[in-house]
Amino acid sequence: DIVMTQSPLSLPVTPGEPASISCRSSLSLLHSNGLTYLDWYLQKPGQSPQILIYLASNRAAGVPDRFSGIGSGTDFTLKISRVEAEDVGVYYCMQALQTPTFGAGTKVEIK
Amino acid sequence: EMQVVESGGGLVKPGGSLRLSCAAFGFTFTDAWMTWVRQPPGKGLEWVGRVKSKSYGETIDYAPSVKGRFTVSRDDSKFTLYLQMDSLKTEDTAVYYCTTLASGKYGTDVWGQGTTVTVSS
Repeated sequence: DIVMTQSPLSLPVTPGEPASISCRSSLSLLHSNGLTYLDWYLQKPGQSPQILIYLASNRAAGVPDRFSGIGSGTDFTLKISRVEAEDVGVYYCMQALQTPTFGAGTKVEIK
Repeated sequence: EMQVVESGGGLVKPGGSLRLSCAAFGFTFTDAWMTWVRQPPGKGLEWVGRVKSKSYGETIDYAPSVKGRFTVSRDDSKFTLYLQMDSLKTEDTAVYYCTTLASGKYGTDVWGQGTTVTVSS
C-alpha cells in the first residue's frame, strides 16, 4: 500500500494569515496518463468530509480560491492564502493511484 | 440534489455480522465508483472498500484490514450500495461513510452523513 505522511498533525492559525500543510507519498502518484492522483479533503467539526482539491491542483466546484494545491511526484502542499474562521477542521490528503489511502490528517484550529 | 443515505448501523457483538446499505439519489449511480470509508471514534479516515461501475467490470477492492471479512456489493436497479460485515472485531467500531469520493471532470464528491457501527460485548 502507498503510505501517506502529513505534517504537521496540528496547525494553530491566525485569521488572515497564510497556512500550508505538507503531504508526502511513499510512491510517485504520477500515472502514465499524465494525471497525478492526489486529493485533499476537509472534515469540518461534526460534518462529513468534503473535497477541496482533486488531481493535485484542481479546486473542486464551490471551493474558495484561497485554497490551492501544489506539488508533484511524491511531495504535495495544500495552501490557504488567508485563513478564515470557517476553515477550521481536519485536512486529509488521499492518494487514488492505487487502492486509496489517507494521510493521518492535520487539525487546523484558530489560535 | 446529489445525496447518499446510509443505514444499518448498530451494536453488534464481536464475531457477529451487520449489513450496511447506502441509497443514492440525484446522480447517475450506475456510472459511479462507490466507496466505503470509516472513521473510528476520535481518529482519522480509513478507506474500506470500493466497487467500480459496471462499465469497469464492477471490480471490487478492499483494504487489507477488512479483506476476507467484508463484502462490498451494489444493486444498480435499486441505486444502492451495500457493505456486508462479518467476523466483526472491536477495532471495526467506527462511523461508516458511503461516498463517491472526488470524481468526474469537476472532482465532484458525494458523502453520506455516516452510520455508526459499535462492536462490543
